[in-house]
Amino acid sequence: GQQVMQIPQYQHVQEGEDFTTYCNSSTTLSNIQWYKQRPGGHPVFLIQLVKSGEVKKQKRLTFQFGEAKKNSSLHITATQTTDVGTYFCATNFGNEKLTFGTGTRLTIIP
Amino acid sequence: DVKVTQSSRYLVKRTGEKVFLECVQDMDHENMFWYRQDPGLGLRLIYFSYDVKMKEKGDIPEGYSVSREKKERFSLILESASTNQTSMYLCASSGTGFQPQHFGDGTRLSIL
Repeated sequence: GQQVMQIPQYQHVQEGEDFTTYCNSSTTLSNIQWYKQRPGGHPVFLIQLVKSGEVKKQKRLTFQFGEAKKNSSLHITATQTTDVGTYFCATNFGNEKLTFGTGTRLTIIP
Repeated sequence: DVKVTQSSRYLVKRTGEKVFLECVQDMDHENMFWYRQDPGLGLRLIYFSYDVKMKEKGDIPEGYSVSREKKERFSLILESASTNQTSMYLCASSGTGFQPQHFGDGTRLSIL
């Protein structure tokens, strides 16, 4: 089936360093969502991108949708311990169900 | 705020048992979903429902069935539990179109 590839699978950073996770698809996406799952918690919706080249910011988080709508990224500036968790991208392929990336697990070294 | 409630946080069952996982949402959402989450595999869709009594198979439906008799409730059924169904099960709901999904806290199911 159709899928989205997410890299890296794991990322360990020092507190204060930046972090980026990437989602890639071989097909053009109509939209993409990002979720965060804290350790022991459930995925929580962060944002949705729809337009080609779209960039959205939430405080230290910057979300981008590629010009060709085949990739997306989430960048965190100056990570804090509260950023710990697994970040998922998700998209639909023309129907109501979401296909999730495999996630990037972020750990912070204080 | 949307509330999605799963009946159990932790559950231990034996192989061969019939297992019911219940999920209730309070936002009148049309869509409801069941996922399982395993390390390194992300979230995999088992079944989803876009209306009462309607269901569609997801990516890994084998060994599972679902029931949606009322709009707010979506049940996942393991007909004859096996050890490879030990996992975290997450329920979610959303409105129609590409709306954000709201997840329950999950049920960690162990099959012995």
